[in-house]
Amino acid sequence: EAGVTQFPSHSVIEKGQTVTLRCDPISGHDNLYWYRRVMGKEIKFLLHFVKESKQDESGMPNNRFLAERTGGTYSTLKVQPAELEDSGVYFCASSQEGPGWGSYGYTFGSGTRLTVV
Amino acid sequence: KNEVEQSPQNLTAQEGEFITINCSYSVGISALHWLQQHPGGGIVSLFMLSSGKKKHGRLIATINIQEKHSSLHITASHPRDSAVYICAVSSSYNTDKLIFGTGTRLQVFP
Repeated sequence: EAGVTQFPSHSVIEKGQTVTLRCDPISGHDNLYWYRRVMGKEIKFLLHFVKESKQDESGMPNNRFLAERTGGTYSTLKVQPAELEDSGVYFCASSQEGPGWGSYGYTFGSGTRLTVV
Repeated sequence: KNEVEQSPQNLTAQEGEFITINCSYSVGISALHWLQQHPGGGIVSLFMLSSGKKKHGRLIATINIQEKHSSLHITASHPRDSAVYICAVSSSYNTDKLIFGTGTRLQVFP
């Protein structure tokens, strides 16, 4: 079974540019999550999809961030325009349908390291 | 103050030593997770706990719900155990949103 795949693994962009991160969850996992770790801080929740619907996007920092999950399969996270403080590691995770972490395990991707210069 | 606190932040050990990493949390939880991240690698789930104790190989995780505290123990540590160990909880008011600690960086030397 393929795991959660994220790409690119690294991205270096200039301030003001646009970057799109992609996450391919495990096939059949309805729940898809985006998390972010900025330098020196703990990992923080960004948003949660159930199939193609946004269940919770309370962690999205501002309207420069746009997440989509077309057809309930892969998801993209676009940052436009990127700012210096957006630098960090963006993790994606997926889980089977259920009440969430509490009952079912998560599988994380390896993350995308984003550097905005 | 973060809702999930880990200690220590950094830990070095000699191969073979017994290691303990602690996690305290301040919210009601439905489950607590211990995760591992090797340098440059993804995050791997080690344990999911809601009570008591779990063991997998040389790893043992315990949780005390009344004290809101969990520990991760590594027996007979090995250099390949070197990684960041992260405690995370799913709160009882929102089981889908994980709250993470800052992690403990462990280095085990031969």
